[in-house]
Order: sequence, then structure tokens, then C-alpha cells
Amino acid sequence: GEDVEQSLFLSVREGDSSVINCTYTDSSSTYLYWYKQEPGAGLQLLTYIFSNMDMKQDQRLTVLLNKKDKHLSLRIADTQTGDSAIYFCAESIRWPGNTGKLIFGQGTTLQVKP
Amino acid sequence: GAVVSQHPSRVICKSGTSVKIECRSLDFQATTMFWYRQFPKQSLMLMATSNEGSKATYEQGVEKDKFLINHASLTLSTLTVTSAHPEDSSFYICSASAGGSSPLHFGNGTRLTVT
Repeated sequence: GEDVEQSLFLSVREGDSSVINCTYTDSSSTYLYWYKQEPGAGLQLLTYIFSNMDMKQDQRLTVLLNKKDKHLSLRIADTQTGDSAIYFCAESIRWPGNTGKLIFGQGTTLQVKP
Repeated sequence: GAVVSQHPSRVICKSGTSVKIECRSLDFQATTMFWYRQFPKQSLMLMATSNEGSKATYEQGVEKDKFLINHASLTLSTLTVTSAHPEDSSFYICSASAGGSSPLHFGNGTRLTVT
């Protein structure tokens, strides 16, 4: 079946790097996403990676994909207090005519201490 | 970048009444929109897929007569919670995609409280 797993909590000090990990089960995933959710708000798309890529970097964010192990990670460099939020990993499942159905992980709460 | 607007952001209603939530794609046409429900400290649960010009596809366990979805245009989908009960209180989030391999973008969510 389809399943996405994340660790629930991560605490880092301001200025350190944060690494949030995610594992998924469906080898037919097309896109893998990272979303950020601040309290009481919707989801903000941070970045996504296509399944034929190994790495994608966008400013402070680096996404690594290990297809063999079905492991996805999000690294935030120079973590700031404003990065404190819940981070969701999600995969899109092949669905005839529609690639937008997402399966979400439980979310990782990132706490950044000053 | 792509923007999805969701209204209202917060609504309080009495049991038995109906509430309509709107989801609009502001700078792209969305043939497909999705409605999610999120319980406190939990992940998002997909409720239904809204297809422009056709009936919505509901996930297993979601009552289609209770959660009415209308996708009347390429930029607007609505979710109506009918005869709301306190257990319907939740955070509802919509998302939209321009289709194909485009990523999903999410609205800011609607906090529904049924008293």
C-alpha cells in the first residue's frame, strides 16, 4: 500500500543545519514534495523533486532522494527561528489522468531554539 | 508563483446549519482541485477530488451527501458542509493543480467550528 513516514519532532539551534527525513513505499511515485505549515495556516510548497533526480538545491534548501531505499530528506542550512513549523513530506501516486493526488506523511515539527 | 485563495479563513456556525467554503486558483486554471481535512496535530486526509464540469470523486468513508463539492469553473471549487455537527469541526484545506505534472498548491485553510 501507499505509506509515507516521518519522524515527528526535530529540535535544532539557530544557525545549525536541520535535516528532516522521510520514507515512502510506493516505487511508482512521480513527484516528491516538501510542504511547510505554520500554525493555523495552510501548506506552503517549499520544493519538490522528480523521481528521476537525486538532488535538488534551492537557496538554503537541499533535497536528497535515494530511490533504492525510498528515502527523501530535506536539509535546511543556517536554520532560523522563522523556520519553526511543521514540515510535510508527500508523494504523488500515479493515477490515470491525474498526478495530483498526494499521500502525506505525519509531519515533522521543527523547533528552532535561539 | 501559483496562488490558491481559500475563503473564509475561519467560520463558526451552529449545529444543523450549512457552511460553504470557496477555493479559487488566482493565476492559473485548475481542472482538478482537492479537498483535505486536518485534525489537530495530524496529517492531511484527502476527502475528495473535484473535477471541473463533472462529479467529485470521494475517498472511502467520506459522505458525499454531507460534503457537497461543486467545481463550476476552472478557477473555483466549493465545499459545502451540510447539516454541520460538532464532530465536523476541523481544519479544511483545498489544493489545486494546473494539471499534468504540475505540483499542487494549497490554500490557507478554513477553520470550521460547529457549536
